[in-house]
Amino acid sequence: GAGVSQSPRYKVAKRGQDVALRCDPISGHVSLFWYQQALGQGPEFLTYFQNEAQLDKSGLPSDRFFAERPEGSVSTLKIQRTQQEDSAVYLCASSLLGGADNVLTFGAGSRLTVL
Amino acid sequence: AQSVTQLDSQVPVFEEAPVELRCNYSSSVSVYLFWYVQYPNQGLQLLLKYLSGSTLVKGINGFEAEFNKSQTSFHLRKPSVHISDTAEYFCAVSPIGAGNMLTFGGGTRLMVKP
Repeated sequence: GAGVSQSPRYKVAKRGQDVALRCDPISGHVSLFWYQQALGQGPEFLTYFQNEAQLDKSGLPSDRFFAERPEGSVSTLKIQRTQQEDSAVYLCASSLLGGADNVLTFGAGSRLTVL
Repeated sequence: AQSVTQLDSQVPVFEEAPVELRCNYSSSVSVYLFWYVQYPNQGLQLLLKYLSGSTLVKGINGFEAEFNKSQTSFHLRKPSVHISDTAEYFCAVSPIGAGNMLTFGGGTRLMVKP
């Protein structure tokens, strides 16, 4: 596609529910990143894929967070047993390759509100 | 580990005035430096980046930034702002070799007034 597409754009969950956030990267982009942006703060790195391989997941805040990219294109970020502190905008970004000379294209984000 | 500090959370400025948005970073290793802009309800967009070479980097929309290694700064400047520049601006770094695994600052809201 022309850009990075994320769905849903808005999600309201009750505490304890599981949620799944989807990211469709730009076609052909090898690298895919997830970031978490809390209200009024800058984005924080969560995890990074190169094709289907998850090369870094050091930013995932707890074992309730899980990300996958099984076929090397679409990625899903899953949050189990959501807590109020999980409320944030979840940003997905992709680039052709992983190096910093490759422009990172961000999606508009999925805003999660946990009640 | 890296950290990025954007000293001003909000910067109000009149249209056609110059503006500087400040960014300082801390890192035990050499880093690449970036500035991103976020318009309401849109994704982050790259303004400019410093990878190597000239320390003065020019980006889109008339913005430029200067890398100062001794002061660990990467301030963003524009000589004359427009109403359309109103947005949130984020400074970010990544360790050389870490690609686009970025550490962002807290952001600066630029508010351009007519």
